[in-house]
Amino acid sequence: ELKVEQNPLFLSMQEGKNYTIYCNYSTTSDRLYWYRQDPGKSLESLFVLLSNGAVKQEGRLMASLDTKARLSTLHITAAVHDLSATYFCAVDLQGNKLVFGAGTILRVKS
Amino acid sequence: DVKVTQSSRYLVKRTGEKVFLECVQDMDHENMFWYRQDPGLGLRLIYFSYDVKMKEKGDIPEGYSVSREKKERFSLILESASTNQTSMYLCASAMNGQGGYGYTFGSGTRLTVV
Repeated sequence: ELKVEQNPLFLSMQEGKNYTIYCNYSTTSDRLYWYRQDPGKSLESLFVLLSNGAVKQEGRLMASLDTKARLSTLHITAAVHDLSATYFCAVDLQGNKLVFGAGTILRVKS
Repeated sequence: DVKVTQSSRYLVKRTGEKVFLECVQDMDHENMFWYRQDPGLGLRLIYFSYDVKMKEKGDIPEGYSVSREKKERFSLILESASTNQTSMYLCASAMNGQGGYGYTFGSGTRLTVV
């Protein structure tokens, strides 16, 4: 059974600081996704990581994938308030079914 | 833009009632999914469907059933609602073979069972 673990589950950070969210998963997969969810809203796709060593960047967010370690990271650079949201990683099982982590609630303080 | 529409944003039902949650997508996607979202537990898959009239149990199917009579519509049914089914329910659709990249989520239905 595939398990996906995120940590931390809650992160409060000051504007301008850097931090990393970790996503570990328990079985082999080379497809990992990051989503963002704003309060009361649906999930928005952020990154798709399809191979070992994949790195994607968009603005202040950078995601990477190490399939050998079964680990993905979402790095936040110089956080701003607009990044406050909940971030989920999800691993693709059998090509069409996602297993989600518990989510990381991020709050950026001014 | 792909749209996944869930019929209700908020719903309050009584224990024992039969509850229907409707989801409609407009992009001819083969795959549709129902997830439940609870704090600290992330999204958990209840049921999914990969074709009309085809369905498969996800991780937490107990107390739920689904119906897919038309390609664009996927219904989640709570046969006899209970308070532990109070949750946010999210529907998603995806074209076959696109994996998580192709997932589009609806806005969610927050169900409260009293």
